[in-house]
Amino acid sequence: QVQLQESGPGLVKPSETLSLTCTVFGDPISSNRYYWGWVRQPPGKGLEYIASIYFTGTTYYNSSLKSRVTISMDTSKSQFSLKLSSVTAADTALYYCATYGSGGRYYFDYWGQGTLVTVSS
Amino acid sequence: QSALTQPASVSGSPGQSITISCTGTSSDFDNYDLVSWYLQHPGKAPKLIIYEVTKRPSGVSDRFSGSKSGNAASLTISGLQTEDEAHYYCGSYVGSNTWVFGGGTKLTVL
Repeated sequence: QVQLQESGPGLVKPSETLSLTCTVFGDPISSNRYYWGWVRQPPGKGLEYIASIYFTGTTYYNSSLKSRVTISMDTSKSQFSLKLSSVTAADTALYYCATYGSGGRYYFDYWGQGTLVTVSS
Repeated sequence: QSALTQPASVSGSPGQSITISCTGTSSDFDNYDLVSWYLQHPGKAPKLIIYEVTKRPSGVSDRFSGSKSGNAASLTISGLQTEDEAHYYCGSYVGSNTWVFGGGTKLTVL
């Protein structure tokens, strides 16, 4: 069973870059069984898909965020990461790392606990 | 892709059934029976309770059921229990490894 743990700064200044890391336990990040992704939740609001990455390095992005987002992975550390540039207060949210399966399993079945990122000077 | 539309809140008494709707455009649901539902208790991560419109993951109560018709999906919870009180989110795969989600519905068990 996959377990995920997010880490990163809880406070980022406006216009700077938000950087988060998700560490994967229980299954190798190089597995072809999963895609590794990020979903965020602004305070009191709904979920928003951000990006995902496959073990091949292929990346996928929410078109509304694509110009500011980079997702990457480090298989040697069993981690994948998110960078979101030029942040504003609207990027304040709980950021979750989550997985969905390969082979047409288009639903998020494993989630981290989430990490709150506040954008403020 | 705009967010899917859910009612902000629904309520019911223990033992009753409730239904939460999730509506979108044809491009949100067209060609895909890939709607999923997530339950989120306060301070907790979302938990998958329905996938591919009607399927339940192992361990999820059969009191939860899903359906879809046209541009609308629904989650029904039968035999309401106090522990069902939570936020519920729908999500739909919209192709190219991207998703849209609903704004969430707060279920209150009176």
